[in-house]
Amino acid sequence: DQQVKQNSPSLSVQEGRISILNCDYTNSMFDYFLWYKKYPAEGPTFLISISSIKDKNEDGRFTVFLNKSAKHLSLHIVPSQPGDSAVYFCAASARSGGSNYKLTFGKGTLLTVNP
Amino acid sequence: GAVVSQHPSRVICKSGTSVKIECRSLDFQATTMFWYRQFPKQSLMLMATSNEGSKATYEQGVEKDKFLINHASLTLSTLTVTSAHPEDSSFYICSAQGGLNSYNEQFFGPGTRLTVL
Repeated sequence: DQQVKQNSPSLSVQEGRISILNCDYTNSMFDYFLWYKKYPAEGPTFLISISSIKDKNEDGRFTVFLNKSAKHLSLHIVPSQPGDSAVYFCAASARSGGSNYKLTFGKGTLLTVNP
Repeated sequence: GAVVSQHPSRVICKSGTSVKIECRSLDFQATTMFWYRQFPKQSLMLMATSNEGSKATYEQGVEKDKFLINHASLTLSTLTVTSAHPEDSSFYICSAQGGLNSYNEQFFGPGTRLTVL
């Protein structure tokens, strides 16, 4: 049972345009969400996170939006750059469940930014 | 800051042998370390959670006698794949939690590619 779903396995955008990566979750206990970027044969790199008490968090070119009622979050990258090309993983945790914040990952979306 | 290393980066071994993978937090003390495996085009699947000085907690379906985890210090955790078989071939990634951002994200190592012949 996939508790975190990234339904688009790939996304291709033009340099300078906006990239929108989507993520849905089913577990209502999740209260903290993160986006990671991953290059092949490397570990994920943390990008941005959001707590369930917020609906938006912005960091430079990256903005994460959270819609709790729809159990949906999205990552916006604007403007997109060729160096953003990577696999993006959405992850969620239930922090209230204890001190070890286990992460549940989606399957990832491969973003390709074309020059 | 918050650098996590893994060693080796890739290993090829014969079926039936054991392989040890090290995960180190280089500039912070990791109270908790996590081990994941990733199959091609799949998500990172959590295998186990380990706290320094205590036994690891394994996820459902992960054999604790096959995947031995030791978290002997605040900067080192090891995963030993015992009696490895071809189906154990995968990308193993560790992450560490602790230090200044212990409330938030995990910091991941670069991963270890295991190939069992």
